[in-house]
Amino acid sequence: DVVMTQSPLSLPVTLGQPASISCRSSQSLLDSDGSTFLSWFQQRPGQSPRRLIYKVSNRDSGVPDRFSGSGSGTDFTLNISRVEAEDVGVYYCRQGTHWPWTFGQGTRLEIK
Amino acid sequence: EVQLVESGGGLVQPGGSLRLSCAASGFSFSNYWMSWARQAPGKGLEWVANIRQDGSEEQYVDSMRGRFTISRDNPKNSLYLQMNSLRVDDTAVYYCVTTSRGHSHDYWGQGTLVTVSS
Repeated sequence: DVVMTQSPLSLPVTLGQPASISCRSSQSLLDSDGSTFLSWFQQRPGQSPRRLIYKVSNRDSGVPDRFSGSGSGTDFTLNISRVEAEDVGVYYCRQGTHWPWTFGQGTRLEIK
Repeated sequence: EVQLVESGGGLVQPGGSLRLSCAASGFSFSNYWMSWARQAPGKGLEWVANIRQDGSEEQYVDSMRGRFTISRDNPKNSLYLQMNSLRVDDTAVYYCVTTSRGHSHDYWGQGTLVTVSS
């Protein structure tokens, strides 16, 4: 199985400041059709997960533009340009290129 | 509005069985792969299984293959997960998911808790 490794696992951030989460995969996520199926999810306390980003850098409908994704191959990043209070929660990367789809361990974002 | 409503969770003894259901609405159910994912209490997310639009293909995580069966009823807009030979480490919230890897379509239900304990 593809192992997804996130860092940091805990991320204290001051309101209005940027935040960045790294995700590395144990093998390339480039699919045979040229797509890279790397997604980012947000899970607020007590809620179901919500996908923010698909195919590395595409925002899902309704996702604020302060969230952005980048990367290629095995190294990926989720950036939040200015953290707001509603961003508190756990963030997961997930690869959908190789079966079984696998998640990172999660990064807990908290307000400093 | 897309809605996914799971049901069927509960307390079951090790070795027992349970069938989860998911009622879908607000999107063209028969046009999408459907999935189950789970989350053990206080832990991270784990994908469980996928099923193709017409039910002709199923995918399972190795630890669940042979014990779990995903199925769907397109006329009823419903997804199912039959879980047999349940183990203590199957204890989790199980989520019904509709997702497209390459398009802006990804929705999760509220989850149903399965507790395997004697």
